Amino acid sequence: GAVVSQHPSRVICKSGTSVKIECRSLDFQATTMFWYRQFPKKSLMLMATSNEGSKATYEQGVEKDKFLINHASLTLSTLTVTSAHPEDSSFYICSATTSSNEQFFGPGTRLTVL
Amino acid sequence: AQSVTQLDSHVSVSEGTPVLLRCNYSSSYSPSLFWYVQHPNKGLQLLLKYTSAATLVKGINGFEAEFKKSETSFHLTKPSAHMSDAAEYFCVPIWGGNTGKLIFGQGTTLQVKP
Repeated sequence: GAVVSQHPSRVICKSGTSVKIECRSLDFQATTMFWYRQFPKKSLMLMATSNEGSKATYEQGVEKDKFLINHASLTLSTLTVTSAHPEDSSFYICSATTSSNEQFFGPGTRLTVL
Repeated sequence: AQSVTQLDSHVSVSEGTPVLLRCNYSSSYSPSLFWYVQHPNKGLQLLLKYTSAATLVKGINGFEAEFKKSETSFHLTKPSAHMSDAAEYFCVPIWGGNTGKLIFGQGTTLQVKP
């Protein structure tokens, strides 16, 4: 199957700083990528849909100024958590959709905000 | 309203015994249905999917699921559990016209005891 990578896999940052997470489709082009957030022992919550070359579409309750998404190319989407706070600590997972609408997930990024 | 319910939040089996993870959907229309598995601190992997072709779907790692329209169910089964099957399992529906967004249910934690 297609491969999606995320970088970094783990990041620890101080409160008030910003953190960028990258999501890459390694062997296919993805016009659409999705960002999810997962709390411990909980399900995945869709945060936003990232479309190449256009603004992301955020789900209700997700602050677009807090979670900046950029999808500058067909193989890369980035999620920047701005002015991070401890409550932003979570497991962030991206997925990318192939031309046949099959979705592949990245391995996730563990964010810890101190 | 369209929704999916995973009836058990936690299932515990002994190694070598059968696995049954239950999933029911609620809708007048039959969705496509996916089962994903997530190992601890990992991304998601597609186990199998139903897209209105054969109602009995075989997936990876010996898992299979049967779509039963009369029961609005898509239960996941495996004849013999292995220790490596211990993970979180998600049943995810997609209804017609969906833009690709996946809405995850609460998930089922599978524990496999030696």
